[in-house]
Amino acid sequence: GAGVSQSPRYKVTKRGQDVALRCDPISGHVSLYWYRQALGQGPEFLTYFNYEAQQDKSGLPNDRFSAERPEGSISTLTIQRTEQRDSAMYRCASSLVGQRGQPQHFGDGTRLSIL
Amino acid sequence: AQKVTQAQTEISVVEKEDVTLDCVYETRDTTYYLFWYKQPPSGELVFLIRRNSFDEQNEISGRYSWNFQKSTSSFNFTITASQVVDSAVYFCALKEASNFGNEKLTFGTGTRLTIIP
Repeated sequence: GAGVSQSPRYKVTKRGQDVALRCDPISGHVSLYWYRQALGQGPEFLTYFNYEAQQDKSGLPNDRFSAERPEGSISTLTIQRTEQRDSAMYRCASSLVGQRGQPQHFGDGTRLSIL
Repeated sequence: AQKVTQAQTEISVVEKEDVTLDCVYETRDTTYYLFWYKQPPSGELVFLIRRNSFDEQNEISGRYSWNFQKSTSSFNFTITASQVVDSAVYFCALKEASNFGNEKLTFGTGTRLTIIP
């Protein structure tokens, strides 16, 4: 079966532009997560959804970052007025349910570069 | 607060040697889950294993084995008879489970393993 799909794989944009990163979770997975991974570091949690409800957004660094999952499937992470410090790998993961330690399965990520 | 420490930044071993990757965690929760993920050079992040805090049995899967010790807050990963395909960055991660709605994984900084042919 298909894994978590993220698009685009690479995104290069100029400082100040808005970007939208897309995540299509594994079919049937209720929970969806966004992480950011800097070079040489482990992923850091940004936010997560159960179905269409955003359950925790405590990891979003500031109000330029937002995420939605309007129909409980595909999710979009939007970064407004991008800054160079936003450059990183953005990873999406999904799991069957958000409880009881279900493993999170990750997509290949979107490499974002802000010029 | 939850924290994961992988003190080994990089390890290199010759093919067929055994290698152990260390993971030490911190949590105040009595219920939690520990994970290992593999990030090969191609960049994807692959789930390897999950262990819950109530199960201290060691686990073996082929050449891979995991040693969970609550007394030392460690969840170490051993690869036996290493192969070149094992070259990757390995991440240990922790999820606390006592608070409803806390689903985030906290990752360590990873250990880069290089297997020399």
